[in-house]
Amino acid sequence: SQTIHQWPATLVQPVGSPLSLECTVEGTSNPNLYWYRQAAGRGLQLLFYSVGIGQISSEVPQNLSASRPQDRQFILSSKKLLLSDSGFYLCAWDNPRAVGTSNQPQHFGDGTRLSIL
Amino acid sequence: GNSVTQMEGPVTLSEEAFLTINCTYTATGYPSLFWYVQYPGEGLQLLLKATKADDKGSNKGFEATYRKETTSFHLEKGSVQVSDSAVYFCALKASGGYQKVTFGTGTKLQVIP
Repeated sequence: SQTIHQWPATLVQPVGSPLSLECTVEGTSNPNLYWYRQAAGRGLQLLFYSVGIGQISSEVPQNLSASRPQDRQFILSSKKLLLSDSGFYLCAWDNPRAVGTSNQPQHFGDGTRLSIL
Repeated sequence: GNSVTQMEGPVTLSEEAFLTINCTYTATGYPSLFWYVQYPGEGLQLLLKATKADDKGSNKGFEATYRKETTSFHLEKGSVQVSDSAVYFCALKASGGYQKVTFGTGTKLQVIP
């Protein structure tokens, strides 16, 4: 079965420090991968998505970047964190190209709660 | 573009009450529709889905019917429990090729004993 892992679960970082959040998926090949941010009490904001290795699409201009160095690995980064980067970050995957899985839902990791001081 | 509109929360119900969370959508073609649930401090979990008109998705006592004529996918449960307290998200994925998921803003449900 497929699983998705995110780490760390919680992170407290000072303003201006770098960031690296990692997400890996197991049990599927060539997934689409997504990074979302959820501000406190708010809905989901899509930050980045990737349909393949090295292919990154950004949804909103911001202080963050994403990379996909391997098929099932997705990394969210920042060189210098801002206070506004605080939030709950969620990684997700789907694989609509797999046979018999058109319009399949996205599957989410457990999230990383990021607090900026 | 595609959009999903959910009823504003929070919704507070007594245990064993009937639940309805409204969801309407705008999309071209024939999207697939989903309900996700998010428990405090956790990621989103798929609750149920429907991929074509008149389909009924169901899971854990929750149900939602894909109504194309009213572009709706309302979530219902006949008797809620305290453990159902969570945030519920309605979402759609348009048909055809690669499509991102469009989420509603979420509805917080609180069930009191």
